[in-house]
Amino acid sequence: DADVTQTPRNRITKTGKRIMLECSQTKGHDRMYWYRQDPGLGLQLIYYSFDVKDINKGEISDGYSVSRQAQAKFSLSLESAIPNQTALYFCATSDFRGGTDTQYFGPGTRLTVL
Amino acid sequence: LAKTTQPISMDSYEGQEVNITCSHNNIATNDYITWYQQFPSQGPRFIIQGYKTKVTNEVASLFIPADRKSSTLSLPRVSLSDTAVYYCLVGDQAGTALIFGKGTTLSVSS
Repeated sequence: DADVTQTPRNRITKTGKRIMLECSQTKGHDRMYWYRQDPGLGLQLIYYSFDVKDINKGEISDGYSVSRQAQAKFSLSLESAIPNQTALYFCATSDFRGGTDTQYFGPGTRLTVL
Repeated sequence: LAKTTQPISMDSYEGQEVNITCSHNNIATNDYITWYQQFPSQGPRFIIQGYKTKVTNEVASLFIPADRKSSTLSLPRVSLSDTAVYYCLVGDQAGTALIFGKGTTLSVSS
């Protein structure tokens, strides 16, 4: 969905480096999410934010941190990257209205940690 | 959130109707059911959503029996391009963050 953008799209880095993945959205949604997907597996929720001042840990937050700089921006950091963090990372947004929550995903960032 | 269980994989041929069933035994009264589709190396995209009975859109139908302990995503006359992973999720009225799980990998052959 072009309304949700992720940068970079691909990144190769080395063990121990600090990495930041960025997500921006123009949908005006309050809610933003970071997911990780390993080959052949489903999506695992890393962190989520329901508004600018709200940050919550997901299923697998260890080794990651996030920053919600504005309603439209949500960044994910790996403070000291390790090889088992090699994965496809997705950002998503949603707008919880009318009692339902529909998520819109970005194109993903493929991260390789050597 | 109610835990969901769905088959790991399914196979079909072009032109057939495919039904993927999801079990959610602990669904609460006002919880809703949503299905997403994911192609390789792309983010999931919304397919259909409902609370009860039947919902139909241009892509699929969603059947939910009266007890709501399961739901079935129906894809009419699938094509090769329907090969994807399909996720069943249950959401609640509190807006709790959704959990995707591993989904069902549908493989369509010619």
